[in-house]
Amino acid sequence: AQSVTQLGSHVSVSEGALVLLRCNYSSSVPPYLFWYVQYPNQGLQLLLKYTSAATLVKGINGFEAEFKKSETSFHLTKPSAHMSDAAEYFCAVSYAEGGFQKLVFGTGTRLLVSP
Amino acid sequence: SQTIHQWPATLVQPVGSPLSLECTVEGTSNPNLYWYRQAAGRGLQLLFYSVGIGQISSEVPQNLSASRPQDRQFILSSKKLLLSDSGFYLCAWSVVRGKYNEQFFGPGTRLTVL
Repeated sequence: AQSVTQLGSHVSVSEGALVLLRCNYSSSVPPYLFWYVQYPNQGLQLLLKYTSAATLVKGINGFEAEFKKSETSFHLTKPSAHMSDAAEYFCAVSYAEGGFQKLVFGTGTRLLVSP
Repeated sequence: SQTIHQWPATLVQPVGSPLSLECTVEGTSNPNLYWYRQAAGRGLQLLFYSVGIGQISSEVPQNLSASRPQDRQFILSSKKLLLSDSGFYLCAWSVVRGKYNEQFFGPGTRLTVL
């Protein structure tokens, strides 16, 4: 069964510092992987997705993620954090069950950015 | 362009009262629709999904039910709310892109059961 593990429920960085949010997946088939961001009391917004094309995926707001099959990882990075990046981030993997595509989400990582 | 609406945005209900949350999608036809619940400090739990009018699949047994009376309308209901029903409820729709679905989320409804 497909699953996603996000290491660290909270990550704190200073403004301008590197952001690294970790995601490891478990999948019996080549995975489709996603990162979503959620601002307080809002829905989820897609940041980026891996769909078996380039292993380095660039998304919105300067974020990118690298798919590493050998490490079963899909970590999210941003070179320089901005105050507006403070939010909760979810990694997800797509899987098929009964002919229907679903997403399974990690438990999320809250990013805190200090001045 | 497609948009997804949810209402109400926030709701405070007493234990034992009924519930009806509504989700509508604009700008697309025959979407797959989903209801998720997000409890404090936890990830997203898929509650229901629907591939068409009147077609509902439940992921977990619970105090809730879902209905899809129209193509782009998805309703989450309960006859009697429990304290454990409190949470942030998200509706989503998806578009098929080859071998995977890309899901788009609504703004959510914050439900507090007292």
